[in-house]
Amino acid sequence: DGGITQSPKYLFRKEGQNVTLSCEQNLNHDAMYWYRQDPGQGLRLIYYSQIVNDFQKGDIAEGYSVSREKKESFPLTVTSAQKNPTAFYLCASSIPAGTGVSEDGYTFGSGTRLTVV
Amino acid sequence: DAKTTQPPSMDCAEGRAANLPCNHSTISGNEYVYWYRQIHSQGPQYIIHGLKNNETNEMASLIITEDRKSSTLILPHATLRDTAVYYCIVRPRMDSSYKLIFGSGTRLLVRP
Repeated sequence: DGGITQSPKYLFRKEGQNVTLSCEQNLNHDAMYWYRQDPGQGLRLIYYSQIVNDFQKGDIAEGYSVSREKKESFPLTVTSAQKNPTAFYLCASSIPAGTGVSEDGYTFGSGTRLTVV
Repeated sequence: DAKTTQPPSMDCAEGRAANLPCNHSTISGNEYVYWYRQIHSQGPQYIIHGLKNNETNEMASLIITEDRKSSTLILPHATLRDTAVYYCIVRPRMDSSYKLIFGSGTRLLVRP
């Protein structure tokens, strides 16, 4: 079945270490996104990519980096510059709404919960 | 910033209708109203969308005011499984890579 895979589901890192979160999709979607969610808050956009080898900053890009070398993959690196990295991270991909299986065009992964100690 | 305003929390009794309001006074003519819900630690789930007419599907109904400045999501017979955070978003429908901007949503608690 097509979908988005985020790994790992839970991740623990020591403060000051960079960590990379994986996001892979086999939906042939052009656009991919990374969101961050803190307890009791909505999702906030970190980075997004509309096409391979291109990406744009979202609302809270500081302390994060991404790459889009392949259509299927959009890894997110949480760097040591990110002041409060502990959060729930969601990856998503999209096609034009109404053109695929999902009515809104979006597919979300199951998330990675990052804890920095 | 999100272009919608929602109450932070609501509750309703199981089996009763849950009516979740959303204000989107700056909505553009080409923007649709989309509703999503998020159960704890999962990705958001699409519920329903509409442009200006009321819509109904197997999950919910969507009522949009005539001036399109507000809408209400209706869960006709809420169950405990409907306890979640509900997000109202305005967006163009066919934009190939529109980035969803989520507000804080409404946390709905369905009471037994």
